[in-house]
Amino acid sequence: DAGVIQSPRHEVTEMGQEVTLRCKPISGHNSLFWYRQTMMRGLELLIYFNNNVPIDDSGMPEDRFSAKMPNASFSTLKIQPSEPRDSAVYFCASSPGLNSNQPQHFGDGTRLSIL
Amino acid sequence: RKEVEQDPGPFNVPEGATVAFNCTYSNSASQSFFWYRQDCRKEPKLLMSVYSSGNEDGRFTAQLNRASQYISLLIRDSKLSDSATYLCVVGDFGTDKLIFGTGTRLQVFP
Repeated sequence: DAGVIQSPRHEVTEMGQEVTLRCKPISGHNSLFWYRQTMMRGLELLIYFNNNVPIDDSGMPEDRFSAKMPNASFSTLKIQPSEPRDSAVYFCASSPGLNSNQPQHFGDGTRLSIL
Repeated sequence: RKEVEQDPGPFNVPEGATVAFNCTYSNSASQSFFWYRQDCRKEPKLLMSVYSSGNEDGRFTAQLNRASQYISLLIRDSKLSDSATYLCVVGDFGTDKLIFGTGTRLQVFP
């Protein structure tokens, strides 16, 4: 069975550039989550969608970050312009949803380095 | 106060040892509880759910104490392959959100 698929696996870019991270959730899962993980702050929830609708974006750091989910099988997280402090591992996760606190399944993550 | 608190460790134990991790959570309305495992430079993976009556999966035993808002994970007969970070996770009541602790690092040595 295909799990959550993220791309790219690694991204190195210079500050000021636009960065787009992509995620394909597990088929049939209704909730999708974007997380950021750093040594200092651990795993932070940035935003989550249910049935393609953003439900809670209170974790999005600032206006430079935006996320979309145009359909049930695809989501993007965009950073524009990127800054060195955005360097982190970004995970996408999905779950069946329905407000039932079911376990989330994570993708392999995107390791982002902003120079 | 953090919503989910764990001792960061590291816990350094020899192979064959029994080790226990504890976790406390702040929201008494929480209904779902999990332990996740995260290997170095990998994604978090579900280890086991935690049920009110306690549950066991092989060498792993999880327990929940709702009155004290406390969750535990016991690993018996530790293996080298158990070396990882163990994340305590609590469901945010009424939503799909999960609240992750910062993790407890375990290192099993020969």
